[in-house]
Amino acid sequence: GEKVEQHESTLSVREGDSAVINCTYTDTASSYFPWYKQEAGKSLHFVIDIRSNVDRKQSQRLIVLLDKKAKRFSLHITATQPEDSAIYFCAASIGSSGNKLIFGIGTLLSVKP
Amino acid sequence: NAGVIQTPRHKVTGKGQEATLWCEPISGHSAVFWYRQTIVQGLEFLTYFRNQAPIDDSGMPKERFSAQMPNQSHSTLKIQSTQPQDSAVYLCASSIGVGSQNTLYFGAGTRLSVL
Repeated sequence: GEKVEQHESTLSVREGDSAVINCTYTDTASSYFPWYKQEAGKSLHFVIDIRSNVDRKQSQRLIVLLDKKAKRFSLHITATQPEDSAIYFCAASIGSSGNKLIFGIGTLLSVKP
Repeated sequence: NAGVIQTPRHKVTGKGQEATLWCEPISGHSAVFWYRQTIVQGLEFLTYFRNQAPIDDSGMPKERFSAQMPNQSHSTLKIQSTQPQDSAVYLCASSIGVGSQNTLYFGAGTRLSVL
């Protein structure tokens, strides 16, 4: 079946540094790539997404890059803060309808003061 | 807006018993999804409904798992003859639409423990 692989299971950075989380996907029909954040003891919430008609999107300190040829996308968090510490999940829509999301296994990001 | 509501938050069952998990989606959302979260497997898609109709249940383990959406305000996930490997956090999510409008809003989850 189709898969989304998240390459970093854990990531530790110093406050103020940048963090990068990389994901790859297998479905050539994937067109929608959201990222979700899960803080300790809480459920997932949406942080940013990118659609296949663009290769870069920025929202404040978050940047998402998409390389369709390589089937790779990444989340860049700039000027990290302790409150960025959480598990981050990448996801990709599956199939031409794009109605279902397949998630990566998650990256535990720790931002140390 | 209370968000997606899942009940119970925690459920403990003995092996072989039945477990029913409930989800109330955000009012006005047409799609409801069920996922299972474990440390080993991460987030696994189970099934989804659009306008109460089952669309894709390809992630549902056969025979023991079933899901329904009898009306637009709630969906249930039923697990018969629970097994220890069913222990997980079951997440329900809803979205306004599907496709390009499919930002998922997740509930807090139901932690199922099968002893």
